[in-house]
Amino acid sequence: DAGVIQSPRHEVTEMGQEVTLRCKPISGHNSLFWYRQTMMRGLELLIYFNNNVPIDDSGMPEDRFSAKMPNASFSTLKIQPSEPRDSAVYFCASSPTQRVKEAFFGQGTRLTVV
Amino acid sequence: GDSVTQMEGPVTLSEEAFLTINCTYTATGYPSLFWYVQYPGEGLQLLLKATKADDKGSNKGFEATYRKETTSFHLEKGSVQVSDSAVYFCALTNRDDKIIFGKGTRLHILP
Repeated sequence: DAGVIQSPRHEVTEMGQEVTLRCKPISGHNSLFWYRQTMMRGLELLIYFNNNVPIDDSGMPEDRFSAKMPNASFSTLKIQPSEPRDSAVYFCASSPTQRVKEAFFGQGTRLTVV
Repeated sequence: GDSVTQMEGPVTLSEEAFLTINCTYTATGYPSLFWYVQYPGEGLQLLLKATKADDKGSNKGFEATYRKETTSFHLEKGSVQVSDSAVYFCALTNRDDKIIFGKGTRLHILP
């Protein structure tokens, strides 16, 4: 398996533009997580899905952020409109169905909003 | 709610020194505990884990023991190498599916 695949690896966009980040989890994994990492705040859980259903989105900063998981093999995180303070590395991770939930991370998308 | 607290970095050591990175947790019940490592430009990857009290997780010379009485899971290595330079995250999972991470500790190893 190729692991968790995220695209793009790098994104530079202008303030006010819409940004869409993509994630393909490992086949067979039933949980998917979106994290944001910055120097100031560390690693923050934004939202997680279980069997394609959003379970906890309390970490989503505000209404400008939305996430979807239309099927078991694809998820998106959208920011509209983007702001400079959204600049961060965004990670997607997936986890299999088992009691001990080890997370497998993608390589991340580095987002810069100018 | 559940939480993880780990020592703030950066931690700077000389090669072959002994390493300890402290981690304590707050959780109801019996969580599973993890250490993840993040090398520059990469995502996090699992380093070791322990699923019940007194379990010891180990990998690549690193060890951590699940201490329920002190709610701790400290990471140790007897002799660090330059290649161990990375950010280390302590984490837990509990009865729900959420994975909770500490803020991370940056480790620098000097040759």
